Amino acid sequence: GDSVTQMEGPVTLSEEAFLTINCTYTATGYPSLFWYVQYPGEGLQLLLKATKADDKGSNKGFEATYRKETTSFHLEKGSVQVSDSAVYFCALTSNYGGSQGNLIFGKGTKLSVKP
Amino acid sequence: DADVTQTPRNRITKTGKRIMLECSQTKGHDRMYWYRQDPGLGLRLIYYSFDVKDINKGEISDGYSVSRQAQAKFSLSLESAIPNQTALYFCATSDLGQGVINTGELFFGEGSRLTVL
Repeated sequence: GDSVTQMEGPVTLSEEAFLTINCTYTATGYPSLFWYVQYPGEGLQLLLKATKADDKGSNKGFEATYRKETTSFHLEKGSVQVSDSAVYFCALTSNYGGSQGNLIFGKGTKLSVKP
Repeated sequence: DADVTQTPRNRITKTGKRIMLECSQTKGHDRMYWYRQDPGLGLRLIYYSFDVKDINKGEISDGYSVSRQAQAKFSLSLESAIPNQTALYFCATSDLGQGVINTGELFFGEGSRLTVL
């Protein structure tokens, strides 16, 4: 079945450092890809998405490019802030059987940004 | 007020007790979901519903049941709670109709933390 693998955390960075969180996927067909963010004590919220190969999703300074040839959707930010401290989840839509359209999530990567 | 509201937010119970977690939404969405979050395991889908008459099992439905009382309400029950059901539970909604490939987003509640002793 479809699956998402993302780098294990926790990731600890200093403010203004460059961030990369790796995400690779296995899927049949052509899934849409997502990054969700969970701030402490809150539910998940959509950060960005890409619906087809070579699309770049971007929001709040974060970017990710849908790479079909490497089945990847890595999250990047050029200069992180303390307020970016959160858990980040990579996800895809399942095109498999009866669960078509449901999201499949990676295990999450916790990011801590120090001042 | 939050668009997706979960109650209770925190609950401590004992093994063997029946527990119900409730979710209500004001977004007018057809699709509703229950997920479970465990450290190191991410989110796993328990049940989902595409409309009031449609209920589907997710990845980890054993030990759980659900009821879709109305378009806006979707409750999760643990008939006889056990300690390994201790987790953070999330309700979510989306606005896509049945059969449409999901290119949209899920809207999550703030979570219900359940501890089973």
